[in-house]
Amino acid sequence: GQQVMQIPQYQHVQEGEDFTTYCNSSTTLSNIQWYKQRPGGHPVFLIQLVKSGEVKKQKRLTFQFGEAKKNSSLHITATQTTDVGTYFCAVAGGTSYGKLTFGQGTILTVHP
Amino acid sequence: NAGVTQTPKFQVLKTGQSMTLQCAQDMNHNSMYWYRQDPGMGLRLIYYSASEGTTDKGEVPNGYNVSRLNKREFSLRLESAAPSQTSVYFCASTGAGFSEQFFGPGTRLTVL
Repeated sequence: GQQVMQIPQYQHVQEGEDFTTYCNSSTTLSNIQWYKQRPGGHPVFLIQLVKSGEVKKQKRLTFQFGEAKKNSSLHITATQTTDVGTYFCAVAGGTSYGKLTFGQGTILTVHP
Repeated sequence: NAGVTQTPKFQVLKTGQSMTLQCAQDMNHNSMYWYRQDPGMGLRLIYYSASEGTTDKGEVPNGYNVSRLNKREFSLRLESAAPSQTSVYFCASTGAGFSEQFFGPGTRLTVL
């Protein structure tokens, strides 16, 4: 099935610093999704990217899909304590039915 | 709308005991999923149900069974619990087009 590597595993930042997490695949992806999970909570969908080179923004969050559709990134500008949590990328399986393969996640800690 | 609900929230079992985790969604979604989440390993798909009446194995199905009782409900059964099944279990659902998945609050299971 699809494999996706997500780095870094952990990131500690001071409030106000930027943060980026990356997902990489050895195969071309049909699409990629991003989820956020607050400590003790459940994953919550952030966005889906479909097109090569796509860039989408949600306030301080910028999502990119690589030109070759093999990698993606999530960048947060000027982190806030509310950004704390684990960020996951997820890719669709080789077959249909919405099966997702999740990256290992990046745990973000923001120090005030 | 409650979205995706799961019961119980917490459970402690002894090795060899059995139990059923319940999941229900009120969004009229066709597809439902069971994941387990372990530290550093992201979310791994156990079983999924593309539509009412169908179920199929995911990445880590051993030791589990599922039942798609109707369109709303998808249960996960552990017939003989093992310590390796200590985990957090999430149920999710998605609608037509298989875009974002909606997750339940999770069940935190400990097997002693």
